[in-house]
Amino acid sequence: DAKTTQPNSMESNEEEPVHLPCNHSTISGTDYIHWYRQLPSQGPEYVIHGLTSNVNNRMASLAIAEDRKSSTLILHRATLRDAAVYYCIDTSYGKLTFGQGTILTVHP
Amino acid sequence: EAGVAQSPRYKIIEKRQSVAFWCNPISGHATLYWYQQILGQGPKLLIQFQNNGVVDDSQLPKDRFSAERLKGVDSTLKIQPAKLEDSAVYLCASSFQLAGALRSSYNEQFFGPGTRLTVL
Repeated sequence: DAKTTQPNSMESNEEEPVHLPCNHSTISGTDYIHWYRQLPSQGPEYVIHGLTSNVNNRMASLAIAEDRKSSTLILHRATLRDAAVYYCIDTSYGKLTFGQGTILTVHP
Repeated sequence: EAGVAQSPRYKIIEKRQSVAFWCNPISGHATLYWYQQILGQGPKLLIQFQNNGVVDDSQLPKDRFSAERLKGVDSTLKIQPAKLEDSAVYLCASSFQLAGALRSSYNEQFFGPGTRLTVL
């Protein structure tokens, strides 16, 4: 039922930037894109969300394509604590529908 | 501030037994959610409450699962009788704003640590 497509896994080295892509080609014009991440043995936690403009917060940046069919979550300097499953979520019908997400591995 | 509390953290039961999970959301949060997360998959929404009313229970297997939030604060999810395929982590989440607000405004969900259920 998830309306987003993400790579199953990605790898990065510590202190390097990470770009996590997501396709959401069926998103409507009024639905936000939310990103959550889930650290091992924990519940998901909010990362960032956006509608049309690029967004920045203390955790990450979100770059949204002009046609809104894709977005990229950017971690500017990956740390070992960023190793997690990252979920890109199309919030149709006002709720979070999680896909399988991207497993991010960070190498020291 | 205190986060979402869940108990127990782990539970092992045999099939056909009953089990209950408890969740205490963040104080002041109107909306409460129960999710089921099977190993290797993302969380799946089971039921969503706004205060003590059900907003969405379309994916709750109502023949065996039930949930309540009687006073609009804490909540209980019950499975009776359990099946092998119910083995999963059950996550509770809460949010401050009203359900359905995701379209127009920020509505961060705060998740608890989950209860890991094993059905033998």
